[in-house]
Amino acid sequence: EAAVTQSPRNKVAVTGGKVTLSCNQTNNHNNMYWYRQDTGHGLRLIHYSYGAGSTEKGDIPDGYKASRPSQENFSLILELATPSQTSVYFCASGDALSSAETLYFGSGTRLTVL
Amino acid sequence: TQTVSQSDAHVTVFEGDSVELRCNYSYGGSIYLSWYIQHHGHGLQFLLKYYSGNPVVQGVNGFEAEFSKSDSSFHLRKASVHWSDSAVYFCAVSQNTGYQNFYFGKGTSLTVIP
Repeated sequence: EAAVTQSPRNKVAVTGGKVTLSCNQTNNHNNMYWYRQDTGHGLRLIHYSYGAGSTEKGDIPDGYKASRPSQENFSLILELATPSQTSVYFCASGDALSSAETLYFGSGTRLTVL
Repeated sequence: TQTVSQSDAHVTVFEGDSVELRCNYSYGGSIYLSWYIQHHGHGLQFLLKYYSGNPVVQGVNGFEAEFSKSDSSFHLRKASVHWSDSAVYFCAVSQNTGYQNFYFGKGTSLTVIP
């Protein structure tokens, strides 16, 4: 069964600190995505990746970096965390070979920046 | 830019009732549409999708959706809901242009009263 695992599940960080959110998928999917979910906004795309070594900016990339060191792993990095980045973050993988891609989501990371 | 509108933020029904969750989109190109479900504290899970062919698509757990190009709609329906269907439902539109950016609606929270 397709599996996307995120860690940590919950994170409290201080303003100005560095935060790394991790995502691992065992689906062997090429595409991976980072979204944030906020009340009133739904899901918004931060960064995505076509495969190992690639990262692309999504709709709201400012303040975030991404890293895809391997097919399985995709990290989201907040170099200088701010309270506005308090949110729930979801990682997803998708099968780029499908003409109508289906996304498989992790369970999310709840990040609070104080 | 594609937009997805889910007109009802909250829907409450009784167990055994039928329900329709509305989704309208705006986009002029070749797209596909999907619905995802999110139970409290979990990531999104795929329900169903439409790409081409029969405009009525069947999904898991008795859900179906109907695509209408003339109305720019993709409404989700279920004939008889169960209390376990209580969740937030997201409509998404995406296009296949190298990467598949999904645009999600803000979600409809469905509450089923036993």
